[in-house]
Amino acid sequence: EVQLVESGGGLVKPGGSLRLSCAASGFTFSSYSMNWVRQAPGKGLEWVSSISSSSSYIYYADSVKGRFTISRDNAKNSLYLQMNSLRAEDTAVYYCARGPCQTGTLCWFDPWGQGTLVTVSS
Amino acid sequence: DIVMTQSPDSLAVSLGERATINCKSSQSVLYSSNNKNYLAWYQQKPGQPPKLLIYWASTRESGVPDRFSGSGSGTDFTLTISSLQAEDVAVYYCQQYYSTRFTFGPGTKVDIK
Repeated sequence: EVQLVESGGGLVKPGGSLRLSCAASGFTFSSYSMNWVRQAPGKGLEWVSSISSSSSYIYYADSVKGRFTISRDNAKNSLYLQMNSLRAEDTAVYYCARGPCQTGTLCWFDPWGQGTLVTVSS
Repeated sequence: DIVMTQSPDSLAVSLGERATINCKSSQSVLYSSNNKNYLAWYQQKPGQPPKLLIYWASTRESGVPDRFSGSGSGTDFTLTISSLQAEDVAVYYCQQYYSTRFTFGPGTKVDIK
């Protein structure tokens, strides 16, 4: 069974840092692009960042560029999101999601993990 | 960025009746090289992550009931639930993957009338 499990969320003060992890299982992790998507409380979905299977291509939303860094460790079947200079508006549930196309990063997202909540507040 | 809009914001439909959700992109998401529309639909129930329903605008994901169908091309798309069931109460999102600056529609909430 394909499974994605996020961890690392929590409460952090404005200006602080947090590192999210996404553990993948049930598929050949190194063959697929991966993505982070967030959802602020009661709001819609916002794409955050994507990384290709070999980390050759990385993309960020303007709202996080320069503050967040996406990475992956194919040997550990894991995806990461390093979040620095956090702001109140970064408060959200962060989901990791696979891009199942196996060819490039232009793909829908499936499946999604259960998400991890990041709260930025003093 | 490609802006995705959805209409209506919410709708209430009687059990067994048809529900129709519209999605519009600010530019075409049809790739001429392969004639595919880079448009997906997701369903999100309270407290759950989004679930893929439709990709390539009209291809139903495995295991998704056939009462869900997607249509449209270019900039205008539709998700139709042919006979609404109680378990279909959710928020539905469209998403374009034509650009690596992926964008989602704002969502349409579907309830039972």
